Amino acid sequence: EVQLLESGGGVVQPGGSLRLSCAASGFTFNTYAMAWVRQTPGKGLEWVSTTSTYYADSVRGRFTISRDNSKNTLYLQMSSLRAEDTAVYYCAKHSAGGTNIDYWGQGTLVTVSS
Amino acid sequence: QLVLTQSPSASASLGASVKLTCTLSSGHSSYAIAWHQQQPEKGPRYLMNLNNDGSHTKGDGIPDRFSGSSSGAERYLTISSLQSEDEADYYCQTWATGIQVFGGGTKLTVL
Repeated sequence: EVQLLESGGGVVQPGGSLRLSCAASGFTFNTYAMAWVRQTPGKGLEWVSTTSTYYADSVRGRFTISRDNSKNTLYLQMSSLRAEDTAVYYCAKHSAGGTNIDYWGQGTLVTVSS
Repeated sequence: QLVLTQSPSASASLGASVKLTCTLSSGHSSYAIAWHQQQPEKGPRYLMNLNNDGSHTKGDGIPDRFSGSSSGAERYLTISSLQSEDEADYYCQTWATGIQVFGGGTKLTVL
């Protein structure tokens, strides 16, 4: 059974940094592209980043996606955080070929506020 | 520009069928999409991948009540024998090199 478990969310001040983690299990982690997708409370889904170096314009230059295949873990390093980055961040697995997303985590909430 | 358009809301009665629509932007009518369901207070769940010829591949454990079809730039999700747990937000997703795009979502109300 595929499982994706996010951690690392919390409250951070504008301009601050935060690192999210996603522990993956139930599949051969190193053979699939992985993604982060966020959702502002009450709003729709917004793609953030996909391994290895694809980013939405709204986060490019501020966020960095990485993975540790030895630990089956995906990361999202977020810096220069803004109020508009406040959202639930979901870890997601792409299907073969890096096309659609076929599994989702439960999400971790990031709140950027002073 | 690659854009997906969905109606903000839809409603149908318990036990009936409903057809949700996702429209691809001009010039992208051949693209495949995926459908995802998000029940209240939960993370999204992958329903299916849907090709431009209407062929589709469903995710693990997705009931036969969920099916997909295509016509031109439109991609459809049909849910038959509606149940109360089908009340949720439904998102379509597509992709190109280096980018993933989501539609704005359709909120389905089961009456």
